[in-house]
Amino acid sequence: DQQVKQNSPSLSVQEGRISILNCDYTNSMFDYFLWYKKYPAEGPTFLISISSIKDKNEDGRFTVFLNKSAKHLSLHIVPSQPGDSAVYFCAASDTGANNLFFGTGTRLTVIP
Amino acid sequence: DAGITQSPRHKVTETGTPVTLRCHQTENHRYMYWYRQDPGHGLRLIHYSYGVKDTDKGEVSDGYSVSRSKTEDFLLTLESATSSQTSVYFCAIGDVSGGNTEAFFGQGTRLTVV
Repeated sequence: DQQVKQNSPSLSVQEGRISILNCDYTNSMFDYFLWYKKYPAEGPTFLISISSIKDKNEDGRFTVFLNKSAKHLSLHIVPSQPGDSAVYFCAASDTGANNLFFGTGTRLTVIP
Repeated sequence: DAGITQSPRHKVTETGTPVTLRCHQTENHRYMYWYRQDPGHGLRLIHYSYGVKDTDKGEVSDGYSVSRSKTEDFLLTLESATSSQTSVYFCAIGDVSGGNTEAFFGQGTRLTVV
């Protein structure tokens, strides 16, 4: 059973607008969350992370929000650029167990 | 690059044959992971290792075994390949135990079982 879920398989956004990618998880032991970006024929690359002791983390155009009570996190990209077009994976870890579980991914297309 | 190499990059094999995929790192990371990526399933954890000879199962470990005899190498073995194991396999290295770092991924191995 998938412990990390991304319910939107795809998202299209106009260049310059905000992209919001969502992720839900079921395991209350998860305490560290990450977002990865993946281009075709390449391995995923790390984008941004957040610890469960925080509810927000920013890095340039990327912001991750965490709502622990809802077991929900989101990635905001502002402003969106055509180079952001990729598949985005949400990941979660129970750092005590050192596992790292991923969601199914959301394909973001930024339209010029 | 994070110093992680997967080999082979592509492989076609027949049903019932054994297959071993290799992940090699030069970063001396304690943790190594094997994932498979499939349409509609994203990345699913097969096995991971938290040290030499220390391994544990992930979400989809059936049909796979792993070995870690050296810090730098993590091998994934399909004892008897099946068509359902056709996938893209990714190795990752890293230590998320402190909750302040990330896992780095290799380029992937595309395996086709015919």
